[in-house]
Amino acid sequence: QKEVEQDPGPLSVPEGAIVSLNCTYSNSAFQYFMWYRQYSRKGPELLMYTYSSGNKEDGRFTAQVDKSSKYISLFIRDSQPSDSATYLCAMSLLQGAQKLVFGQGTRLTINP
Amino acid sequence: DAGVIQSPRHEVTEMGQEVTLRCKPISGHNSLFWYRQTMMRGLELLIYFNNNVPIDDSGMPEDRFSAKMPNASFSTLKIQPSEPRDSAVYFCASAQTRGGTEAFFGQGTRLTVV
Repeated sequence: QKEVEQDPGPLSVPEGAIVSLNCTYSNSAFQYFMWYRQYSRKGPELLMYTYSSGNKEDGRFTAQVDKSSKYISLFIRDSQPSDSATYLCAMSLLQGAQKLVFGQGTRLTINP
Repeated sequence: DAGVIQSPRHEVTEMGQEVTLRCKPISGHNSLFWYRQTMMRGLELLIYFNNNVPIDDSGMPEDRFSAKMPNASFSTLKIQPSEPRDSAVYFCASAQTRGGTEAFFGQGTRLTVV
């Protein structure tokens, strides 16, 4: 079993829809949770960063962490075609970017 | 800053040949990471340097892989001899781990071993 599980998709939704992306994990010691976005033929870039449990909102994006269930989510409101990318969850025991463990990534397409 | 710079962007080589991937991290960052991305296994950490010193190489798949960081502005990942199963996209990332939260990734090197 992988430390971090993420449905690879692909996921295809119409423009304007609410998108929900999820990851589960097995290591209860993870403290730092991130979502990276990766466009085709590019490197991943940090989208959201959360410490411990709770919600964090940034514009159309909301990240949720439920440590009791070992489950994290990313919600995208009013999705746009420019949101089409692969979204990777990542987790770490340590502050900063040290030894990140990534999910498989979910390929998302927003259809105009 | 130009970001993390990797070279080459694409590399096609024959099985058994030596391959060297290069990375220039963002100036001022004290940590450097080499990742490998495949469809099957996703993004995996190979090795992590802090202040030019290898801290964790537990992700390096086997002795054919080696990495060096001779100074704060340059790192290499070498595969010798290369095998077809090494075909993947290799990413270098750098971070300022003192108070920082983000790893900045390069554009990656797409390696094909035939």
